[in-house]
Amino acid sequence: DAGVIQSPRHEVTEMGQEVTLRCKPISGHNSLFWYRQTMMRGLELLIYFNNNVPIDDSGMPEDRFSAKMPNASFSTLKIQPSEPRDSAVYFCASSYDQGEQYFGPGTRLTVT
Amino acid sequence: AQSVTQPDIHITVSEGASLELRCNYSYGATPYLFWYVQSPGQGLQLLLKYFSGDTLVQGIKGFEAEFKRSQSSFNLRKPSVHWSDAAEYFCAVGASGTGRRALTFGSGTRLQVQP
Repeated sequence: DAGVIQSPRHEVTEMGQEVTLRCKPISGHNSLFWYRQTMMRGLELLIYFNNNVPIDDSGMPEDRFSAKMPNASFSTLKIQPSEPRDSAVYFCASSYDQGEQYFGPGTRLTVT
Repeated sequence: AQSVTQPDIHITVSEGASLELRCNYSYGATPYLFWYVQSPGQGLQLLLKYFSGDTLVQGIKGFEAEFKRSQSSFNLRKPSVHWSDAAEYFCAVGASGTGRRALTFGSGTRLQVQP
């Protein structure tokens, strides 16, 4: 199994630009999670999907952030417009129901 | 609401010495508990998990953890640390049953291994 796949691995963009992060979960998993990791706040959940439906988006910082899961094998996290304070490592993880979560390698986002 | 506390931000041990990383959780029912490890610039790798049954669980890389309900703890142990164990370790709690599926993570413990 290829594991959770995230792209890009690194993204550098200027403030105000749109950023799209992509995730392919492990085949057969029905839950997908987006986390953000920063030095100040640690690992925090942004949103999670179950069977492609958003269940809890209470961690999404503000309206600039949006996430979609059009099918069981693909999800996107979009930031528009991006700001320097969005700089962080964004992780995608997947699981089957409430089993263990498997994490992707992360996308390191830098907004200048 | 569930929460996790890792009281030690940074721990240094000598190679070959034993290790114990502390984790305390808060959850209203029997939780699902996890330990993950993160090497610099890498994602999180699952070390071990507790769902039910035997309270002493074995994981990869020679790690084990013990669930103690009376102390709301899930401490991670290793009898002999290797230099390659230097990393950051995260304890996490998840809801059992039909509860919230997302994990709540502790703030992490950074392990440094001295030669």
